[in-house]
Amino acid sequence: DVVMTQSPHSLAVSLGERATINCKSSQSVLSSSNNKNYLVWYQQKPGQPPKLLIYWASTRESGVPDRFSGSGSGTDFTLTITSLQAEDVAVYYCQQYYTTPFTFGPGTKVDIK
Amino acid sequence: QITLKESGPTLVKPTQTLTLTCTFSGFSLTSGAVGVAWIRQPPGKALEWLALIFWGDDKRYSPSLESRVTITKDTSKNQVVLTMTNMDPVDTATYYCAHSTGNPPYGMDVWGQGTTVTVSS
Repeated sequence: DVVMTQSPHSLAVSLGERATINCKSSQSVLSSSNNKNYLVWYQQKPGQPPKLLIYWASTRESGVPDRFSGSGSGTDFTLTITSLQAEDVAVYYCQQYYTTPFTFGPGTKVDIK
Repeated sequence: QITLKESGPTLVKPTQTLTLTCTFSGFSLTSGAVGVAWIRQPPGKALEWLALIFWGDDKRYSPSLESRVTITKDTSKNQVVLTMTNMDPVDTATYYCAHSTGNPPYGMDVWGQGTTVTVSS
C-alpha cells in the first residue's frame, strides 16, 4: 500500500493568516501516461462528510474558494489556505488516487489561534 | 444533482455480517468514468478507503479487508451494496459511500452523509 503521511498533526492560525499543510506519499503518485499527480485534498468539518477541495494535486474543485491551493509533485505535496477564515476550521486529509487501495493521510486539524 | 445515501443497521453483534446499501441519484453506474466507493471512519479517527466498484463492474478492495468485504451494484435500483463479514468491535465506524469520478478516477466528488454502525454484543 502507498502510505500517506501529513504534517503537522494540527495547527492554529490567526484569522487572515496563511495555513500550510504538507502531505507525503511513500511512492510517487505521478502518472507517466498523462503527467498528472493523483493526489486529492479533502476538508472535513465536524459532523459532516469530507468535501473534495483539490484533485490532481492542484486543480481546485468547482465552487472551492481560491484561497485554497494545492501544489507539489511526485511524493511531496502542500495544501495552502491563504487568509484563513473562521469557516475553514476543519480536518484536512490528503488521499492518493494513483493505485488501490486509495489510501488517506492521517489528517491535519486546523484551528483558529 | 448527484446525491448518495447510506442505509443499514446501526447495531450489529460481533461475528455477524453487515450489509450496507448506498442509494444514489443523478448519475448512472452504466455510464463510463463513474464509480461508487465505500469509506469508513472510526470515531475520532482518520478515513479508511474500503472498496470501489466501477461502471463496468470492475471491483477494487482494500487488501487488509478483501477477505471480508464484497461490493456489488444493482443498476436497475441505482444501488451499491457493501457486505462485511465477521464484524468486530473495531469495525465500529461511520460508513460513507461516495461518487468516484474520472477515467482513470481522480477523486470522490460527492459523498453521502454517512451511516453509523456500532459493533457490540
